[in-house]
Amino acid sequence: DTAVSQTPKYLVTQMGNDKSIKCEQNLGHDTMYWYKQDSKKFLKIMFSYNNKELIINETVPNRFSPKSPDKAHLNLHINSLELGDSAVYFCASSQGENQPQHFGDGTRLSIL
Amino acid sequence: AQRVTQPEKLLSVFKGAPVELKCNYSYSGSPELFWYVQYSRQRLQLLLRHISRESIKGFTADLNKGETSFHLKKPFAQEEDSAMYYCAGSGPRDNYGQNFVFGPGTRLSVLP
Repeated sequence: DTAVSQTPKYLVTQMGNDKSIKCEQNLGHDTMYWYKQDSKKFLKIMFSYNNKELIINETVPNRFSPKSPDKAHLNLHINSLELGDSAVYFCASSQGENQPQHFGDGTRLSIL
Repeated sequence: AQRVTQPEKLLSVFKGAPVELKCNYSYSGSPELFWYVQYSRQRLQLLLRHISRESIKGFTADLNKGETSFHLKKPFAQEEDSAMYYCAGSGPRDNYGQNFVFGPGTRLSVLP
C-alpha cells in the first residue's frame, strides 16, 4: 500500500486555468506538507498543515491554496495558472512537525 | 532564519572511491538533521537521521556541533548511489514560521 499518494501523476494544462492536485496519506500522521521542486531541483516548502494550524510560506502566491477535508488529506488548489508554475509538486506527511517526512511520488505540472 | 546549505551542486566520483557530501546548518537551539535521497524521477526517501546514528546503504553522517556540519559519507561509492541528496534540518520555528528546511541538494554522479 502506498503511504502517501498523489493524483494526478502528470498534469498538462493551459495558462489561466484552475487545477487541483490531491494528496492522501494512510500513515495516521498529523502533519502534511506541499513542496515545489523546480527544474534546478530546488525543493521549496509551500505549506505545512496539521489539524490545528496552517503555516504558509509567505513567498507562495495566494493563487495557491491548500484544502484539508480531513486529517488524511491535503489537496492543493491553484488558480490562474502561470508558466512559472511548471514544476514537480510533492506532498509529504509526518507524525509531528520535527519528525521525518514521507513523500508522495510527485505531480509533474506542465503549463502550455 | 533557519538555514541548511550544501555547497556542492554536483559531485562526481569514480566507482569504489570515497564520497563525502557536505552539509552545514544555521539553527538556533539544537536541530534535528536528516539526509534524504531522490533517485531519478522517484520520490524523496529518508536516508538517515542523526539521532539514530545508523548506517544505511553504507552511508553514515556525524553531527559536528562545533562546525555546525552534518556531512554524509560513504567509503566506497557504487553506481546505484547516483542520485540527488538533500540535507534537511528541523527545529524551533523561525520568524517565517518554518521549522523544517531542506538544503538546495547535491547531485551525486558515480562514474564506472
